[in-house]
Amino acid sequence: GAVVSQHPSRVICKSGTSVKIECRSLDFQATTMFWYRQFPKQSLMLMATSNEGSKATYEQGVEKDKFLINHASLTLSTLTVTSAHPEDSSFYICSASVMGAEKLFFGSGTQLSVL
Amino acid sequence: GENVEQHPSTLSVQEGDSAVIKCTYSDSASNYFPWYKQELGKGPQLIIDIRSNVGEKKDQRIAVTLNKTAKHFSLHITETQPEDSAVYFCAAPIGGSSNTGKLIFGQGTTLQVKP
Repeated sequence: GAVVSQHPSRVICKSGTSVKIECRSLDFQATTMFWYRQFPKQSLMLMATSNEGSKATYEQGVEKDKFLINHASLTLSTLTVTSAHPEDSSFYICSASVMGAEKLFFGSGTQLSVL
Repeated sequence: GENVEQHPSTLSVQEGDSAVIKCTYSDSASNYFPWYKQELGKGPQLIIDIRSNVGEKKDQRIAVTLNKTAKHFSLHITETQPEDSAVYFCAAPIGGSSNTGKLIFGQGTTLQVKP
């Protein structure tokens, strides 16, 4: 099956620092990947769509300068949380679909804690 | 745009009993409905999905039914086991069509299966 790998699984950082999260499709190519955010006991909220070779598309209310997305290859997308603050603490999850297919597969998530 | 409502928010059943989780959606153009299982600290795992041209789909102990007229779909788990305990999310495509890969999620149902 389609496997999406996400690293790191957990990161603790000081306020003001930047954190990079990697999302890789291991056994398929993904022209599009998605980044979601999930607060405790809440649902998943789509943050942005990552397109290989072009700029990401951000959902309403998501700051593009704060959440930098790079999709440099068909198997790798990165999310960088810049100048992180405690309110950015959340569970970040990436997802990807096999090209042309509708099934969406998720990474294992990254728990970000900003002190 | 699409809106997805999920009920109940929590569900407790005895091992061996059945569990049913229901979702309603608003966009009649939506054509793809997946269900995800999320265990604590992990990313969502696709457990079953259904397309709008099918009324029911079954995979061992889990099944999904779709009523396009009423715009609701349900997850059925039979012979529940303690390992079924998790949070379950329904989802529907943002914008109706599954071509974009973007999903909107229900609020989630915490299922507890008591031994």
